[in-house]
Amino acid sequence: QQPVQSPQAVILREGEDAVINCSSSKALYSVHWYRQKHGEAPIFLMILLKGGEQKGHDKISASFNEKKQQSSLYLTASQLSYSGTYFCGTGTGNQFYFGTGTSLTVIP
Amino acid sequence: EAGVAQSPRYKIIEKRQSVAFWCNPISGHATLYWYQQILGQGPKLLIQFQNNGVVDDSQLPKDRFSAERLKGVDSTLKIQPAKLEDSAVYLCASSRNSGAYEQYFGPGTRLTVT
Repeated sequence: QQPVQSPQAVILREGEDAVINCSSSKALYSVHWYRQKHGEAPIFLMILLKGGEQKGHDKISASFNEKKQQSSLYLTASQLSYSGTYFCGTGTGNQFYFGTGTSLTVIP
Repeated sequence: EAGVAQSPRYKIIEKRQSVAFWCNPISGHATLYWYQQILGQGPKLLIQFQNNGVVDDSQLPKDRFSAERLKGVDSTLKIQPAKLEDSAVYLCASSRNSGAYEQYFGPGTRLTVT
């Protein structure tokens, strides 16, 4: 029931783009995206809802394929501050599961 | 707006002892979550409250973990007795409502069981 993310880890140079994928085995109502830096709490990035509504930060984009039960997070023109572990979170009925995580490292 | 408050920040106990964590959510947030995050893994939802009612506690080890949210505001999570595998960071989060609302996390409590 825990969503699976890919890749597990990625290293980028500043300015490069990245895509992080999240796949669930269950029908989804919503997909959340969070970033967590080492030793800190997760911080909200974006929510995508069934039906196409999105809420989140202007500089981050994501997609939600309801039929495939998948979501992707798009990071463009990456900055050093983008480094951290990215988690998707999926809402299914009353239950919520965080994904396996993707470690993103941006280097100068 | 004040964030989610948690205490203590750190706790070290011996196995078989008991421990309690406290969380005060953002004012007005109806939904409160407790997560367990083991090093290197994503947060695992233990229990979700909507006001003072339990929405989901399917992953809470009920033989040793308990939680309450009296009056629908702050909450406590208790472990009794603790096991070595309970060593983790316990995160509390709150949201305006359940489902389609972002969750705001507290700083967490790092528990070490020796």
